[in-house]
Amino acid sequence: GESVGLHLPTLSVQEGDNSIINCAYSNSASDYFIWYKQESGKGPQFIIDIRSNMDKRQGQRVTVLLNKTVKHLSLQIAATQPGDSAVYFCAENAGGTSYGKLTFGQGTILTVHP
Amino acid sequence: GAVVSQHPSWVICKSGTSVKIECRSLDFQATTMFWYRQFPKQSLMLMATSNEGSKATYEQGVEKDKFLINHASLTLSTLTVTSAHPEDSSFYICSARDLRLGSTDTQYFGPGTRLTVL
Repeated sequence: GESVGLHLPTLSVQEGDNSIINCAYSNSASDYFIWYKQESGKGPQFIIDIRSNMDKRQGQRVTVLLNKTVKHLSLQIAATQPGDSAVYFCAENAGGTSYGKLTFGQGTILTVHP
Repeated sequence: GAVVSQHPSWVICKSGTSVKIECRSLDFQATTMFWYRQFPKQSLMLMATSNEGSKATYEQGVEKDKFLINHASLTLSTLTVTSAHPEDSSFYICSARDLRLGSTDTQYFGPGTRLTVL
């Protein structure tokens, strides 16, 4: 729906801390989830993905956790760095006839203080 | 690999004119490309799905006659905003799926095009 005037959730952390960004999704039929990082004025950058048959996946400094029971997704960033400052979006793929179409969450602004 | 480019990166036009935005997959073939619109401080909203060699599929509420999409080759899709108005000012982003990779679900995004209609 329309979200004019909506303020994105924000997370401020100190450099070196771990960050956890959360996302609630709505479609129980979604079978594929992705986290993207978007810096100001740029397109989204793929971070990590996870399929619905998994509950955890790890990458370099990042971990994604999926809880299908409560339809919740989280992104953990270890040893957060100033370069991690950006807006983070989760996205879901419903599969079926919607295969390939992504629905994006509202986003979270991460600010890392040196 | 899996680089997507967009051209132009920004454009300013007068109300009533048409603007074409190109989306290219530089090092892979993309049978499907997606077009998104993003307003300031908001998330990405899918506008349409562009399939090579066939008509685009538009999301509900998106005017197909206003946002013309052409996907004539496996590496190029274009979005033309016709008779642009100030409310069309936005950040337009395309994405493409790389069928070479094992995960065919991964979408790679272009850098976006900032459209400002005066």
